[in-house]
Amino acid sequence: GDSVTQMEGPVTLSEEAFLTINCTYTATGYPSLFWYVQYPGEGLQLLLKATKADDKGSNKGFEATYRKETTSFHLEKGSVQVSDSAVYFCALSAGNRDDKIIFGKGTRLHILP
Amino acid sequence: GAGVSQSPSNKVTEKGKDVELRCDPISGHTALYWYRQSLGQGLEFLIYFQGNSAPDKSGLPSDRFSAERTGGSVSTLTIQRTQQEDSAVYLCASSLAMGEQYFGPGTRLTVT
Repeated sequence: GDSVTQMEGPVTLSEEAFLTINCTYTATGYPSLFWYVQYPGEGLQLLLKATKADDKGSNKGFEATYRKETTSFHLEKGSVQVSDSAVYFCALSAGNRDDKIIFGKGTRLHILP
Repeated sequence: GAGVSQSPSNKVTEKGKDVELRCDPISGHTALYWYRQSLGQGLEFLIYFQGNSAPDKSGLPSDRFSAERTGGSVSTLTIQRTQQEDSAVYLCASSLAMGEQYFGPGTRLTVT
């Protein structure tokens, strides 16, 4: 079945460091890909998405590119801030009638000032 | 506008008791989803309602779990004879058909 694998955390970085969180997926067909973020004490929020190969999703300085050839959707940010500390989930949706989301296990990111 | 709301925010129950968790979706959203977030299992899909179609129950972990959606709006997730492994945060999300899913704050269930 469809699945998402993302790097395990926690990831600890200093402020202004470059961030990469790796994500790969397994799916039949052409899924939509997502990154969700869960800030401390808050609910899940959609951070960015891409719906087809080579699309780049971006938001709040974060970017991820849908790479069909490597089945990847790595999350990147050039300069992280303390406020980026959160849990990040890579996810996919088959995009059919049954568009439930399949999530990775999440990566906790901790940014030091 | 109002987002997805869930109640209660926290629930502590004894093993073997039944619990009901409530989700109020965003008004006008036709699709409603339940997920479970637990340590070691990440986020798991449980059940999905879309309009008047039969729900997709493929993620329910056992027959102790059931859900209904009355009038195409509010949904209740029921867990019968709770077990300790049911302890988790239960998340509800709603969307327009094929649209972005908006998540509620979750209900933290602790089974003692």
